[in-house]
Amino acid sequence: GAGVSQSPSNKVTEKGKDVELRCDPISGHTALYWYRQRLGQGLEFLIYFQGNSAPDKSGLPSDRFSAERTGESVSTLTIQRTQQEDSAVYLCASSLAGQGIDEQFFGPGTRLTVL
Amino acid sequence: AQSVTQPDIHITVSEGASLELRCNYSYGATPYLFWYVQSPGQGLQLLLKYFSGDTLVQGIKGFEAEFKRSQSSFNLRKPSVHWSDAAEYFCAVGAYNQGGKLIFGQGTELSVKP
Repeated sequence: GAGVSQSPSNKVTEKGKDVELRCDPISGHTALYWYRQRLGQGLEFLIYFQGNSAPDKSGLPSDRFSAERTGESVSTLTIQRTQQEDSAVYLCASSLAGQGIDEQFFGPGTRLTVL
Repeated sequence: AQSVTQPDIHITVSEGASLELRCNYSYGATPYLFWYVQSPGQGLQLLLKYFSGDTLVQGIKGFEAEFKRSQSSFNLRKPSVHWSDAAEYFCAVGAYNQGGKLIFGQGTELSVKP
């Protein structure tokens, strides 16, 4: 497919467990973004990658959250010791060059539920 | 710091009626402004964007938005709403020096009644 894909689409986990969320951006897009959307809320910026480096991690809520990107392609968002407040939809987006005016193309999201 | 306010959480309009969704932003310089739509079961889709030039921008699906610097607003409009326009609408602001990071508003849910 030509779009941004994310896996899994749904994840249910128990409090205290670690989870990994995956994002496959559009081929050739150098910029990749992670956002979080809590129920009934707007999107919160988490982290931005340009290539494999992350110039802006300012939105990560705590040190339990980390992300990496390899091969200027796939990115993984890891949440350690999950808490109930981590329950949300996690959205990934990619853009061609990471310029401010570039359109961001969003994936369908991963719905995370922490019991 | 940048921020975006969408004052209306939920709006209901009749099919065929006109629509205006409000968006106010806070940013020191000229912002990049976006409207995205999120339909049930679908991802976010860009409707339109503004970064310079003509302050009235046209987008997809018959939507338009007007940038008003004096009011720090970027309201979305459509002259005649269709039932398929029912969705969540998000206004977002970005900046030229922040790598494309977007700050989103809380969203406005649009319902369309027959």
